[in-house]
Amino acid sequence: SQTIHQWPATLVQPVGSPLSLECTVEGTSNPNLYWYRQAAGRGLQLLFYSVGIGQISSEVPQNLSASRPQDRQFILSSKKLLLSDSGFYLCAWTRGQWSYEQYFGPGTRLTVT
Amino acid sequence: AQSVTQLDSHVSVSEGTPVLLRCNYSSSYSPSLFWYVQHPNKGLQLLLKYTSAATLVKGINGFEAEFKKSETSFHLTKPSAHMSDAAEYFCVVSDSVSGGYNKLIFGAGTRLAVHP
Repeated sequence: SQTIHQWPATLVQPVGSPLSLECTVEGTSNPNLYWYRQAAGRGLQLLFYSVGIGQISSEVPQNLSASRPQDRQFILSSKKLLLSDSGFYLCAWTRGQWSYEQYFGPGTRLTVT
Repeated sequence: AQSVTQLDSHVSVSEGTPVLLRCNYSSSYSPSLFWYVQHPNKGLQLLLKYTSAATLVKGINGFEAEFKKSETSFHLTKPSAHMSDAAEYFCVVSDSVSGGYNKLIFGAGTRLAVHP
């Protein structure tokens, strides 16, 4: 069976510090991968998606970047965090182009102070 | 463009009574529709999906949803609420596939409270 991991589970970082969140998927190959942010009291906002190694697309311009160094690894980064980067970050995967349902990881709660 | 509207931001029920969470969608073609549940500080879990097969879809934990094309609705129901059903529920519609990427459109969510 497939599983998706995210770490860390929680993170408190000061403004201006760097960020690295990691997501890995087990039990499948060549998944589509997604990063979402969920701000308090709001819905999900798609940040990035990737259809393969080194292929990253951004949905909205922002202070964040993403990378996919390996087939089942997806990393969300920032060089300098802003207060507005606080939120709940979720990674998700699908089996590919013709599979619509996405499966979500447990999430990372980021608080920027 | 596809969109989804969850008609209630909060729903409160008593344990053992029926649950109804309402969702309307807008789509220019036959969509795929989903319901996800999110417990506090957890990821989203897929409850059920509709992908143009049977219009009445059964999911996990006793939930089901009926796709009604004439009403553009996909309401989520459960005959008898349990305390563990208290969570946030998201109605989701698939967008078009482009460049090998299938995009989902999320509703704003409905928070379900279950009282003893």
